[in-house]
Amino acid sequence: ETGVTQTPRHLVMGMTNKKSLKCEQHLGHNAMYWYKQSAKKPLELMFVYNFKEQTENNSVPSRFSPECPNSSHLFLHLHTLQPEDSALYLCASSSRDRGMGEQFFGPGTRLTVL
Amino acid sequence: DAKTTQPTSMDCAEGRAANLPCNHSTISGNEYVYWYRQIHSQGPQYIIHGLKNNETNEMASLIITEDRKSSTLILPHATLRDTAVYYCIVRVSYGGATNKLIFGTGTLLAVQP
Repeated sequence: ETGVTQTPRHLVMGMTNKKSLKCEQHLGHNAMYWYKQSAKKPLELMFVYNFKEQTENNSVPSRFSPECPNSSHLFLHLHTLQPEDSALYLCASSSRDRGMGEQFFGPGTRLTVL
Repeated sequence: DAKTTQPTSMDCAEGRAANLPCNHSTISGNEYVYWYRQIHSQGPQYIIHGLKNNETNEMASLIITEDRKSSTLILPHATLRDTAVYYCIVRVSYGGATNKLIFGTGTLLAVQP
C-alpha cells in the first residue's frame, strides 16, 4: 500500500449506531488531519494531529471522536450521528520535512446517516 | 489567511492550455499561494505552490503577478482527466509539520473533447 488509505470507502449507518473510520498513511508523515465535505460545500477542517497530539479541533460536535494512536494511524469514532452528518470524510497527512502546505489526501469515506 | 476569489467554472478544449485565475488582493508578504485539485468524489491532490517567483513542475505552471495580488495556474495541455475542481489557497507556511488549509469553493474546470 502506498500513500494515504481510508476504510471503509462507503458506510451507511443509523442514528443510533456506533462506527469508526480508519485512516492510514504510509508516507512517514508526522501530522494527520480529518476533513468533512458536505454536498455543494467546501472542505471543512475538523481535527489536526501532530506527532499523535491533537493540535486543533474546529468546534466539532462531540459525537465525532478522533483517535491517533501513532503517527501512521488516525481514527474517527462516530456515535449518535444526525442525517446532516452525511458527507465525504477525508483524511490527509503532511510532513515536517515537506512542511510547505503539501498535504496528501486519502480517497475518503462516503458516509450516509439514515 | 488571505481570502481568494476564483471563477465558479471554466471550460477548456482538450489539448489546449487551461489558465485558471485566482485573486488574492489581501495577501501578506509571508503568505504562499497553493493550488490543489479535486477530481469528482476523490481526495484533493496537491499541484503546486509559490511565494513570489513563477514555478513549474510536471503537472502545471504557476504565474504570480509582481504585486502578488493575483496568480494563474496553467495546465499546458489539458486532457479529459484534468476535469476537476481547482482550489487556490493562500496561507502562511511555518515550515512545520502541520499546515492548516482553508478550502474555498474553487473553479470547476471542464475539459471538452
